[in-house]
Amino acid sequence: AQSVTQLDSHVSVSEGTPVLLRCNYSSSYSPSLFWYVQHPNKGLQLLLKYTSAATLVKGINGFEAEFKKSETSFHLTKPSAHMSDAAEYFCVVTPNQGGKLIFGQGTELSVKP
Amino acid sequence: DTAVSQTPKYLVTQMGNDKSIKCEQNLGHDTMYWYKQDSKKFLKIMFSYNNKELIINETVPNRFSPKSPDKAHLNLHINSLELGDSAVYFCASSQVSRGSYYEQYFGPGTRLTVT
Repeated sequence: AQSVTQLDSHVSVSEGTPVLLRCNYSSSYSPSLFWYVQHPNKGLQLLLKYTSAATLVKGINGFEAEFKKSETSFHLTKPSAHMSDAAEYFCVVTPNQGGKLIFGQGTELSVKP
Repeated sequence: DTAVSQTPKYLVTQMGNDKSIKCEQNLGHDTMYWYKQDSKKFLKIMFSYNNKELIINETVPNRFSPKSPDKAHLNLHINSLELGDSAVYFCASSQVSRGSYYEQYFGPGTRLTVT
């Protein structure tokens, strides 16, 4: 069975400092992995996706994630946080069965001025 | 142009009532989904339809009934609403090709409050 664990429920950074949101996954075969962002009272927006091509994936708004099979991790990073990055971030795995997405618990990112 | 739209955005109703949430996508996708986000922001899939055919039906009470009149629409009807149904419901859509499901695009959500 597939599952996703986001290791931090809340991360707080200062504007201009790096962001690291951690995600570990469990999958019996090579998964597809995504990061979605949800701003307050908004829908979910796709940040980036990994689908067994390059292990370093670049997304929108300067975010990127690295797929590490040996560590079963898919951590999300950004070199320099902006105030507008404050939101809830979801790591997601899909077993590619009927399109079902399995969401992590979410990490709330706060950005201090 | 809105890619995935939902109506209404907010829905406040009393226990025991029946209500519907509508979803439409103009992306030309052939698969649509309903997700429920609880008060702790946890998201879980409820249903998915591919070309109007139900392909995922998670362990959802049968008070919830999805209906897909065509590929671009997936509505959610809820009978005999309960307090525990209060949540944000998201519609999403994606394209399928050769058995692979591509990324999903989400609507803005419908916040349902049952009193």
